[in-house]
Amino acid sequence: EIVLTQSPDTLSLSPGERATLSCRASRNISSTYLAWYQQKLGQAPRLLIYGVSGRATGIPDRFSGSGSGTDFTLIISRLEPEDFAVYYCQQYGNPPPFSFGPGTKVDMK
Amino acid sequence: EVQLLESGGGLVQPGGSLRLSCVGSGFTFSNDAMSWVRQAPGKGLEGVSIISARGDGPNYGDSVKGRFTISRDNSKNTLYLQMNSLRVEDTAVYYCARWTRYSMDVWGRGTTVTVSS
Repeated sequence: EIVLTQSPDTLSLSPGERATLSCRASRNISSTYLAWYQQKLGQAPRLLIYGVSGRATGIPDRFSGSGSGTDFTLIISRLEPEDFAVYYCQQYGNPPPFSFGPGTKVDMK
Repeated sequence: EVQLLESGGGLVQPGGSLRLSCVGSGFTFSNDAMSWVRQAPGKGLEGVSIISARGDGPNYGDSVKGRFTISRDNSKNTLYLQMNSLRVEDTAVYYCARWTRYSMDVWGRGTTVTVSS
């Protein structure tokens, strides 16, 4: 069973700053199976990144994903006011059906 | 517009049952795997179940295995989650979502299930 951990728990930044979010897996994950989501309070999650680095439809290019093996990163190059939210990484298949990391909250300093 | 709309949530006593539904529109429902994800109050996301486009090979998270059953009726563009033997810890917002490229690209707004006596 693969366990996902995310760091930091909370990231306090100002608009315009760069955000770097980490997701670490307890064992290697195929790049195909790693995704990132954004969730704002009271809303459903929104897919940002699939397959480690593919941007989902309509996602601005300030969001980028990278990584391989056990270490994955989501970068928001310049934070916009609407980017303050909770971010989750997700892996497919192990354990079935799929699992999420505990989340990183990006809040305004 | 691609949409998913859940229904069927509510208040139920421990040990009771509920059936959630999720209707898809704006896409070819029968082409895509679908899943249920839940979120307990103030907590993170938890994968509940997934079902293939044809309805075979369902898979469940350990916390619901043997109690919940996922199914779909492609003629009605509808996904279901039958929840039996409900526990207080099943209290959550339940989302349905569409799978594409091993990720969930379309989500419903969620339906709230509260298990309490």
